[in-house]
Amino acid sequence: QVHLVQSGAEVRKPGASVKVSCKASGYRFINYGLSWVRQAPGQGLEWMGWISAYVGKAKNTQNFQGRLTMTTDTSTNTAYMELRSLRSDDTAVYYCARDRFNGSYYFGMDVWGHGTTVTVSS
Amino acid sequence: EIVLTQSPGTLSLSPGERATLSCRTSQSVTSSYLTWYHQKPGQAPRLLIYGASNRATGIPGRFSGSGSGTDFTLTITRLEPEDFAVYYCQHYATTPPFGQGTRLEIK
Repeated sequence: QVHLVQSGAEVRKPGASVKVSCKASGYRFINYGLSWVRQAPGQGLEWMGWISAYVGKAKNTQNFQGRLTMTTDTSTNTAYMELRSLRSDDTAVYYCARDRFNGSYYFGMDVWGHGTTVTVSS
Repeated sequence: EIVLTQSPGTLSLSPGERATLSCRTSQSVTSSYLTWYHQKPGQAPRLLIYGASNRATGIPGRFSGSGSGTDFTLTITRLEPEDFAVYYCQHYATTPPFGQGTRLEIK
C-alpha cells in the first residue's frame, strides 16, 4: 500500500524554524513529485511548493519570500519541508502529497500524508 | 495571475439529491491540468477527478467532472451521507492553484 507518513506536531516561537518530514512507502519514490500544501485553521488549501523526488528540483510560490526550503533524501524515501522565520500566521496543518505530471497531463495529488500541525506561538 | 473561483460558497442539499459544483477560471486553462478534491473535517483532502473528467482510483461513479476553457463542473448524482464535505478545484501550474472551496452541507 502507498503511504506518506509525516512527522509529529510541532510548537515553535515566532522567529524560529520548523522542519517537517514526509516518509514515502509502497511506491517508487523517484517516479513522482511531492507537493506541500498547508491549511490554516478554518481556511482553505494553500499550495506551498513542489519538489521532484528524482532530481530534487523544486518550485514554490513567492508567498514565502525565501523562508521555504524543500528537499528529498532518496536513500530513505523521505521529503522535508523547512520553514524559517516563523510567524503566528504560519500556524497551520502542513500536508505532503504525491503528484505526477508527464509533460502534458497532470494526474493530481493522489496520495496525501495525514498532516502535521505546526503551532507558532510566543 | 489566473484565479479559480468556485461557486456556490455553500450548497445545502439532502441525501439522494444531485449536486452541481462550479469552478471558473479567470482565463482559459488546459483541461488536462484541472483536478477536484474533497475534504472532510479533520482529514486530508482526497483526489476525486483529474484531467477535468477522469475519476481517480476508488472514486464512485456518482462523481463526474466536465468542462473546458474557463468553466468546469463537478457533479455528484444521488448524494450519499459521506459526500458532505468541502470541495476544492485545482489547476496545475496556476498560482495559487486552488479555488476557495465549496462547502456541501446536509439540508
